[in-house]
Amino acid sequence: KAGVTQTPRYLIKTRGQQVTLSCSPISGHRSVSWYQQTPGQGLQFLFEYFSETQRNKGNFPGRFSGRQFSNSRSEMNVSTLELGDSALYLCASSRGQAGGGYTFGSGTRLTVV
Amino acid sequence: KNEVEQSPQNLTAQEGEFITINCSYSVGISALHWLQQHPGGGIVSLFMLSSGKKKHGRLIATINIQEKHSSLHITASHPRDSAVYICAAPNNNDMRFGAGTRLTVKP
Repeated sequence: KAGVTQTPRYLIKTRGQQVTLSCSPISGHRSVSWYQQTPGQGLQFLFEYFSETQRNKGNFPGRFSGRQFSNSRSEMNVSTLELGDSALYLCASSRGQAGGGYTFGSGTRLTVV
Repeated sequence: KNEVEQSPQNLTAQEGEFITINCSYSVGISALHWLQQHPGGGIVSLFMLSSGKKKHGRLIATINIQEKHSSLHITASHPRDSAVYICAAPNNNDMRFGAGTRLTVKP
């Protein structure tokens, strides 16, 4: 079965711009969670969506937002990009049940210049 | 204190050596994940375990829920095992990550 697909794989943006990243989960998975990975902070949780509703949110500013569609695909948006937003953004999908396994996508590497 | 702590931070081994990576957590969890990240960034979920031990090929993961501790072992290590290994503890609908252990296996 197809894995978790993230697009695009690489992206270069300038400060002040906004960006939208996409994540298509494994068929049947209703939960999509997003993570930011930077060399300094490691992996950090951004937010999680389940059945089109944000279920939990990490400690990130309001410039970071997301949504989930009825087919479980999710997008995350970062507005007013800052240099510090340069990172690998990963999404993971799961069935959304406690103790359930996660499958990660390959990530989108965002560079802000 | 981080909620999920891994040790060691870096590990260099010779091919064939037995490897152990440790993870201690302070959050209440239903299961713990071990992840592998190769250069380039993609993450692979190796194990999800809530009790006891799991084995997959040369990889073995154990967890002691009472002591809030998990270990990942690699037997007969190989240069292709070189990667960053990360433990992750789901907490409600959040996920807390260890800082990762960078493993280098030399031929």
